[in-house]
Amino acid sequence: AQSVTQLGSHVSVSEGALVLLRCNYSSSVPPYLFWYVQYPNQGLQLLLKYTSAATLVKGINGFEAEFKKSETSFHLTKPSAHMSDAAEYFCAVSDAGYSSASKIIFGSGTRLSIRP
Amino acid sequence: DSGVTQTPKHLITATGQRVTLRCSPRSGDLSVYWYQQSLDQGLQFLIHYYNGEERAKGNILERFSAQQFPDLHSELNLSSLELGDSALYFCASSARTTGELFFGEGSRLTVL
Repeated sequence: AQSVTQLGSHVSVSEGALVLLRCNYSSSVPPYLFWYVQYPNQGLQLLLKYTSAATLVKGINGFEAEFKKSETSFHLTKPSAHMSDAAEYFCAVSDAGYSSASKIIFGSGTRLSIRP
Repeated sequence: DSGVTQTPKHLITATGQRVTLRCSPRSGDLSVYWYQQSLDQGLQFLIHYYNGEERAKGNILERFSAQQFPDLHSELNLSSLELGDSALYFCASSARTTGELFFGEGSRLTVL
């Protein structure tokens, strides 16, 4: 069974600083990996996804993530934080690709705060 | 706007009662997923339907059931409600070719 571990339930950075949100996965098959963002009182929306093509994936709002199979990691980064990045971020894994039989399992989330 | 519609947005009920949450997926999406989000459990996968058939099941209690209808809308039925069932329930739909989940805004259930 697949699982996702997000290290750090809360991360705080200064505006303009590097954002690093950590995600480690476990999967018995080549995983499909995702990062989602949730703003207050809203549903989740996709930031980026890993599809086994390029290991460095670029997403929306300047975020990117690198798939490292040897470390079973898929950390999310952004070079320079903006106040608007304050939100909850979720890493997710699917062990059946885009199959109709897939489960998509989410991590526990990391709340990102931005200090002025 | 994700294109996924969930009703009701808020629901307050008493222990022991039964409620039904409704989800309309994006036009053309055949998959519907249900998730429960609570402070202590995070975002828990409940169940996945594809074109009317159950395809994957997660940590869904026996008191909960779901179905997907021929018009592809889905309902999540919660019965014999307990205080611990208070949570935000999300529905998401996906297109088979992309794997991206599109989430509704959720139904917030409060059990008193």
